[in-house]
Amino acid sequence: EIVMTQSPATLSVSPGERATLSCRASQSVSSNLAWYQQKPGQAPRLLIYGASTRATGIPARFSGSGSGTEFTLTISSLQSEDFAVYYCQQYNNWPLWTFGQGTKVEIK
Amino acid sequence: QLQLQESGPGLVKPSETLSLTCTVSGGSISSSSYYWGWIRQPPGKGLEWIGSIYYSGSTYYNPSLKSRVTISVDTSKNQFSLKLSSVTAADTAVYYCAKTQGAFDIWGQGTMVTVSS
Repeated sequence: EIVMTQSPATLSVSPGERATLSCRASQSVSSNLAWYQQKPGQAPRLLIYGASTRATGIPARFSGSGSGTEFTLTISSLQSEDFAVYYCQQYNNWPLWTFGQGTKVEIK
Repeated sequence: QLQLQESGPGLVKPSETLSLTCTVSGGSISSSSYYWGWIRQPPGKGLEWIGSIYYSGSTYYNPSLKSRVTISVDTSKNQFSLKLSSVTAADTAVYYCAKTQGAFDIWGQGTMVTVSS
C-alpha cells in the first residue's frame, strides 16, 4: 500500500498571503496525484489532477507541482473562501487509491 | 450534468450490515472510462477509500476493509451499492459515492451513518 503523508497538519496564513502545502508518497506515484479542498459540511472538491492540471472551474491561484514522491499545492494569494482542509490522493496504484491525512489551512 | 446521490439508513446497529445506494443521474453508469467508488470520513477525521467498481462488475477494495465490503452495480437502475458487514462504532462516518478516472472528480453530497444500538 502506498502511504501518503501531508505536512504540516495545520497551516496558519493571513488573507492575501501564499500558502504552500506538501504531500509525500511512500513510493513513486509518477504524476498520478490529485488535490482536493473540503469545507465543513461539504463533500471534497477536486482541485488538481495529474499533479499540476487544474480541474474545471478552479481559479488560477491554485497550482500543483511535483512528481515521483514529492508534491506541492500552492495557493498564491489566500482568499477567505480558501480556508479549508486540503487532501492529496494518489492513483498511480489504480485501482487502489489512498489519501493523505489532510492539511487544515486556517486564518492567522 | 452528472450528479450522484447517496441513500440509505442513517442508523445501523452494531454487528449488522450497513447498506447504501448511489444513484447516478445526468449520465450513464455504463460509460466505459469511469469507475465508481465509495469513500468515507469518520467525524473529525480524514478520507478513507472503501472500494470501487467498474460498470462491468469488476470490484476493488481497500485491503483493510476487504473482508467486510461488497460493492455491486445495477446498470438498469443506474445505481451502485455498498454493503459493509459486522459494523462497529468505528464505522460511524459520512459515506460518499464518487466517480473516478483516477482522481475523484464528481462526488455525492454524502450521507451520515451512525452505528449505535
